[in-house]
Amino acid sequence: RKEVEQDPGPFNVPEGATVAFNCTYSNSASQSFFWYRQDCRKEPKLLMSVYSSGNEDGRFTAQLNRASQYISLLIRDSKLSDSATYLCVVILTGGFKTIFGAGTRLFVKA
Amino acid sequence: DVKVTQSSRYLVKRTGEKVFLECVQDMDHENMFWYRQDPGLGLRLIYFSYDVKMKEKGDIPEGYSVSREKKERFSLILESASTNQTSMYLCASSLRRGVETQYFGPGTRLLVL
Repeated sequence: RKEVEQDPGPFNVPEGATVAFNCTYSNSASQSFFWYRQDCRKEPKLLMSVYSSGNEDGRFTAQLNRASQYISLLIRDSKLSDSATYLCVVILTGGFKTIFGAGTRLFVKA
Repeated sequence: DVKVTQSSRYLVKRTGEKVFLECVQDMDHENMFWYRQDPGLGLRLIYFSYDVKMKEKGDIPEGYSVSREKKERFSLILESASTNQTSMYLCASSLRRGVETQYFGPGTRLLVL
């Protein structure tokens, strides 16, 4: 079983739609959580951190559920430019062991 | 703005060749990382370094070695390239332990024939 699991998709949604991705992790020693975005043939870039209390950045909302060991990303009012692969990232206690999910592909269509 | 650069965007090598991939960061980051990314597998950590001349094995170190002689530079070495090392190689850096945001270079696509 992978330590961090994501639905690979692809998710195909129309512009303006709301879409949500989930990510589950198996290691209870996980301490920090992030969503990264990776455009086609580009490097991953930090999208947002994920906090226990949940956090929002414009159209993006991230949630963490420690009891069920999953994190989520909600994108509202999808734009064509949101088309990318979204990587779930978990860092274990101690700060060095970083585990990346394989990513969820999103296509937003006009 | 943090900048992480990698020596090559694309490389084609033959089986058995020694391959050097270089990574440079310009923000005085303590930690540097080498990953490979393959379809369906995500990013997998090969090696990381938290200080000059220090290195730690990641999840898949076999067939690779690293060198960090200067703080800003972290090199990945394939001692004898094999076809199963064909992949996208990504270098990353982070400020220090406990500050986990990693900044990635543009990647090197390596093809081993």
